[in-house]
Amino acid sequence: QKEVEQDPGPLSVPEGAIVSLNCTYSNSAFQYFMWYRQYSRKGPELLMYTYSSGNKEDGRFTAQVDKSSKYISLFIRDSQPSDSATYLCAMIPTSGTYKYIFGTGTRLKVLA
Amino acid sequence: EAGVAQSPRYKIIEKRQSVAFWCNPISGHATLYWYQQILGQGPKLLIQFQNNGVVDDSQLPKDRFSAERLKGVDSTLKIQPAKLEDSAVYLCASSLGQGRANEAFFGQGTRLTVV
Repeated sequence: QKEVEQDPGPLSVPEGAIVSLNCTYSNSAFQYFMWYRQYSRKGPELLMYTYSSGNKEDGRFTAQVDKSSKYISLFIRDSQPSDSATYLCAMIPTSGTYKYIFGTGTRLKVLA
Repeated sequence: EAGVAQSPRYKIIEKRQSVAFWCNPISGHATLYWYQQILGQGPKLLIQFQNNGVVDDSQLPKDRFSAERLKGVDSTLKIQPAKLEDSAVYLCASSLGQGRANEAFFGQGTRLTVV
């Protein structure tokens, strides 16, 4: 079993839709949770960063962490064609070398 | 602020040849990471440096891969000899420190094709 599971998609939605992207994980030591966006042929860029359980909102993006279920989500409201990219979840444990563990990424396509 | 610089952007080599990638992190960033991203997969950490010391190289295939970070700034990643399964994007990232609340900034990556 992988430490972090993420549906690879692809996920196609119409412009303006609410998008829900999810990851599950198995290591209860994960405390820091991130969402990265990766456009084609580019490096990942950080979108959202959350610590432990709860919600965090930034513009059209909301990150949600449910540690009891080992489940994190990223919601995108009013999705735009420019949101078309691969979304990677990443997690860091509280101890050790603080190594980022990435999910496989979900490919999202927002249709105009 | 300049981002993480990587070169070359693309490289095609034959199997059993050697190749080297270069990374210049963001100025002042103590932590440097090399990730391997195979098509359709998330990035996998190969090696993590804190200044010029290795923090984690547990997933680095040490029989063929090597990396160094001289003077705690630039870094090079070398593969010798390359195998077909090394075809991937090699991403360099840097952060101010390691762990919590230290955002990792990524370069654009070097796309390696081994034929």
